[in-house]
Amino acid sequence: GAGVSQSPRYKVAKRGQDVALRCDPISGHVSLFWYQQALGQGPEFLTYFQNEAQLDKSGLPSDRFFAERPEGSVSTLKIQRTQQEDSAVYLCASSLVGPGEHYGYTFGSGTRLTVV
Amino acid sequence: AQSVTQPDIHITVSEGASLELRCNYSYGATPYLFWYVQSPGQGLQLLLKYFSGDTLVQGIKGFEAEFKRSQSSFNLRKPSVHWSDAAEYFCAVVLTGGGNKLTFGTGTQLKVEL
Repeated sequence: GAGVSQSPRYKVAKRGQDVALRCDPISGHVSLFWYQQALGQGPEFLTYFQNEAQLDKSGLPSDRFFAERPEGSVSTLKIQRTQQEDSAVYLCASSLVGPGEHYGYTFGSGTRLTVV
Repeated sequence: AQSVTQPDIHITVSEGASLELRCNYSYGATPYLFWYVQSPGQGLQLLLKYFSGDTLVQGIKGFEAEFKRSQSSFNLRKPSVHWSDAAEYFCAVVLTGGGNKLTFGTGTQLKVEL
């Protein structure tokens, strides 16, 4: 597609519920990133894929967070047993090039998750 | 500790006035440097980036930024601000040889008075 598409745009979850957030990157983009942006803060890195390989998951805050990109295109970020502190905007970004080169990411509009 | 600092949380300028948003980084080596803008409910849009070469970088929407190695700074400037520039601005870095992940500052909220 023309841009990075994320769905849903908004998600309200009850505490303890599992959620799945989807990211459709730009076609052909090798790299895919997930970021978490709390209210009034800058985005914080969660995880990075190069094609289907998850090369860096150092930013995932707990083992309740899990991301996958099985075919090297669409990615899903799953949060199990959601907690109130998980409330944030989750941003996905994709980039054409791989490690060692960098031309800037294209970001999606994000999914705003509210845990009540 | 390695970090990206945006000292100004909020800035208010009058339409037509000049603008400078500050960004400082604390890393051993010169990182790749970026400025992004985020409007309410929108994703992040790249304004400009610096990898190497000319230290004055031109971006979209009339923005420019200057890399100053001696000050570890990458300040964003615009000669004449428009009301539509009101948004949040983020400075970000990628460490050279450190993978591809962007590390963001905490952002500066720009308000434009008419």
